Amino acid sequence: EVQLVQSGAVVKKPGESLKISCMGSGYSFPTYWIAWVRHMPGKGLEWMGIIYPDDSDTRYSPSFRGQVTISADKSVSTAYLQWSSLKASDTAMYYCARGVGPNYSYQYWGQGTLVTVSS
Amino acid sequence: EIVMTQSPATLSVSPGERATLSCRASQSVSADLAWYQQKPGQAPRLLIYGESTRATGIPARFSGSGSGTQFTLTISSLQSEDVAVYYCQQYNHWPPSFGGGTKVEIK
Repeated sequence: EVQLVQSGAVVKKPGESLKISCMGSGYSFPTYWIAWVRHMPGKGLEWMGIIYPDDSDTRYSPSFRGQVTISADKSVSTAYLQWSSLKASDTAMYYCARGVGPNYSYQYWGQGTLVTVSS
Repeated sequence: EIVMTQSPATLSVSPGERATLSCRASQSVSADLAWYQQKPGQAPRLLIYGESTRATGIPARFSGSGSGTQFTLTISSLQSEDVAVYYCQQYNHWPPSFGGGTKVEIK
């Protein structure tokens, strides 16, 4: 069974750094793309970027390039989304999702990680 | 970036009636269009991809149609468990993009 399991909810202060994770199981993790999607409270879904774990080919939406870093460690079947300096506006639910290509639909999703940034 | 516009924002439908949701792309996305269902507290669930192909395990009451810039998701007979927000997504142009969502309620 394909599963994407994300790290738990976090509360951080503005300016702090953060790295959340998404661990895949039940399939060949290196050979499927992992995308990250933001869902801000009361808003729609926003596509952030995507990584191919086998060679770490990473692509960002222009809206998120420079704001976050996406990485992956195929040895532990895990993709990551990180911030170097959080802002209150980063408060959102973040989902990872598996794609068969860099530009595709997503059959499998993680359960989401709620990130709250508040002073 | 391709802008996806969904309408209406909220749709109230009686149980057993048809629900019709619309999604318009700012330029042609061919048939590279997916629909997702998101219930409160849950991750999105893929319903339709390739504009009209149902994903695994999706009931036949969900159907997708359209092409180019105008797409429709139809729920032929609304059930109580279909209450959710529905999103369209294009994956023809870079970057992929989602619509703002349509909330489906029971009347």
